[in-house]
Amino acid sequence: RKEVEQDPGPFNVPEGATVAFNCTYSNSASQSFFWYRQDCRKEPKLLMSVYSSGNEDGRFTAQLNRASQYISLLIRDSKLSDSATYLCVVNLYNQGGKLIFGQGTELSVKP
Amino acid sequence: DVKVTQSSRYLVKRTGEKVFLECVQDMDHENMFWYRQDPGLGLRLIYFSYDVKMKEKGDIPEGYSVSREKKERFSLILESASTNQTSMYLCASSSPGLGGTGELFFGEGSRLTVL
Repeated sequence: RKEVEQDPGPFNVPEGATVAFNCTYSNSASQSFFWYRQDCRKEPKLLMSVYSSGNEDGRFTAQLNRASQYISLLIRDSKLSDSATYLCVVNLYNQGGKLIFGQGTELSVKP
Repeated sequence: DVKVTQSSRYLVKRTGEKVFLECVQDMDHENMFWYRQDPGLGLRLIYFSYDVKMKEKGDIPEGYSVSREKKERFSLILESASTNQTSMYLCASSSPGLGGTGELFFGEGSRLTVL
């Protein structure tokens, strides 16, 4: 079983749609969580951290469920510019802060 | 603006050649990392370094070595390139975050093709 698993997609949605991505992790010692965004042929960049209480940044909402060991990212009112691959990332404190990346979920927003 | 610079965007090498991939960061970060990214496999950690002259193996170190002689520079070396090392190589740096690794800043990547 992979340490961090994501549905690779692609998710094809129309502009204005709401779309949600889930990510599961296997190591219960995982302590911090992130979503990174990677545009086509570009490097990954931090989108947002994920906090236990859930957090929101504009149209983006991240949630953490420790009991079920999954993280989610919700995008409301999708824009064409949201088209990218979204990477779920988990920080393993008990391994010196090692970051484990999921394989990414591809999102394509269509006009 | 934070900057991680990788020396080559595209390289084509032959099997058995020695390959150097250079990475320089201008943010005075302690931590530096080398990943490779392949379709369906995501980013996999090759080597990382938390300080000058220090290196740790990641998940897939076989066939690779690294060098960190200066804080700002982290080099990845393929002693004898093989076709299964054809990939996108991404360098990243970070400052230590609370309890672990802070935000990673990536370079633009080096796409290596081994023929």
